Amino acid sequence: EVQLVESGGGLVKPGSSLKLSCVASGFTFSSYGMHWIRQAPKKGLEWIALIYYDSSNKYYADSVKGRFTISRDNSKNTLYLEMNSLRSEDTAMYYCAKGSTRAMFAYWGQGTLVTVSS
Amino acid sequence: DVVLTQTPVSLSVTLGDQASISCRSSQSLEYSDGYTYLEWYLQKPGQSPQLLIYEVSNRFSGVPDRFIGSGSGTDFTLKISRVEPEDLGVYYCFQATHDLTFGSGTKLEIK
Repeated sequence: EVQLVESGGGLVKPGSSLKLSCVASGFTFSSYGMHWIRQAPKKGLEWIALIYYDSSNKYYADSVKGRFTISRDNSKNTLYLEMNSLRSEDTAMYYCAKGSTRAMFAYWGQGTLVTVSS
Repeated sequence: DVVLTQTPVSLSVTLGDQASISCRSSQSLEYSDGYTYLEWYLQKPGQSPQLLIYEVSNRFSGVPDRFIGSGSGTDFTLKISRVEPEDLGVYYCFQATHDLTFGSGTKLEIK
């Protein structure tokens, strides 16, 4: 059974940094691209970052480009999202997601909440 | 950037009736390889989103055949026949043909 478990969220002040983790199990992590998607309170879904299975390519939404960094450690079956220069508008639930051969987000974690507030 | 416009914003459906959600794209979603990368997701209250449909009309594993995706080019529809209580939530269309974009969502309520 595919499982994705996010952690690392919390309450931080504007301008600070935070690093999220997503531990994967139930599949060969090193064979799949992985994503981060976020959802601001009472808002819709926003894709924010993709990393290829071998870290050879990384893509970002314009809203986080230059501030967020996606990475992975295939030896630890773990996906990361390093977030710098956090803003109030980054307040959201952050989900990691795994693709399948035919769909982008076949499996989702339960999410970790990031709140940016002074 | 591609914009996906979902209508209606919300709909209230009687149990057992059909619901229909439209997703209109600002550009054609047919990719150069001939595939159309349009997906549908459902986010039930208090839960993470779940994949329903990929490549316009293919149901993901375990998705009931009451969920039917259709469309081409710029116009797509998700139909839910015989709505059941567990179908309530917010439905999102998503495209991966040009960058990666979600629609704004359609909230399905049960009358």
